[in-house]
Amino acid sequence: EAAVTQSPRSKVAVTGGKVTLSCHQTNNHDYMYWYRQDTGHGLRLIHYSYVADSTEKGDIPDGYKASRPSQENFSLILELASLSQTAVYFCASSDWVSSYEQYFGPGTRLTVL
Amino acid sequence: KTQVEQSPQSLVVRQGENCVLQCNYSVTPDNHLRWFKQDTGKGLVSLTVLVDQKDKTSNGRYSATLDKDAKHSTLHITATLLDDTATYICVVGDRGSALGRLHFGAGTQLIVIP
Repeated sequence: EAAVTQSPRSKVAVTGGKVTLSCHQTNNHDYMYWYRQDTGHGLRLIHYSYVADSTEKGDIPDGYKASRPSQENFSLILELASLSQTAVYFCASSDWVSSYEQYFGPGTRLTVL
Repeated sequence: KTQVEQSPQSLVVRQGENCVLQCNYSVTPDNHLRWFKQDTGKGLVSLTVLVDQKDKTSNGRYSATLDKDAKHSTLHITATLLDDTATYICVVGDRGSALGRLHFGAGTQLIVIP
């Protein structure tokens, strides 16, 4: 069974502070993704990566950075957290052949005050 | 502009009843469509994936249809259980590889009551 874990599971941050969300996968997948979910909206892609030490911008990258130090790990970084970044963040992984076989982590609920 | 629309937004049914969830989309191309179940505070769990022009799948009490000509999909849940209470999310993939994008609906919140 594919496994994607995220930490922390929830976090409260202050406006202007730095936040790092972590994701770890044991699927041996090349692709990893960060999405955000807002109430009443579908998930939206922030950043993705298809190889270690390289990241790509998704559809809503502004205000976020990503880091892929190894195949297994993918981080999302908010350098200056803002109120509008309060959301649930999901990490996912897939192999390069079939993006529809994305496996999702349990999510991180981020509240920025 | 939202490319994947789900209806109803929320639905309450009694345990044992059947229900139907709808998904309409405008994504082009539309390589495949997947239905996910999301329990409150949890991640997305895949229920089924539809690929063909006119496709049908069945997974236990869950069955789904896809009509790519109409760009429409349905998810049927038979004999609902309390554990079916969740948000059901329709996702359309524009390609069959990781080069593509997934387009997510906002979900239908299903509540099953005793």
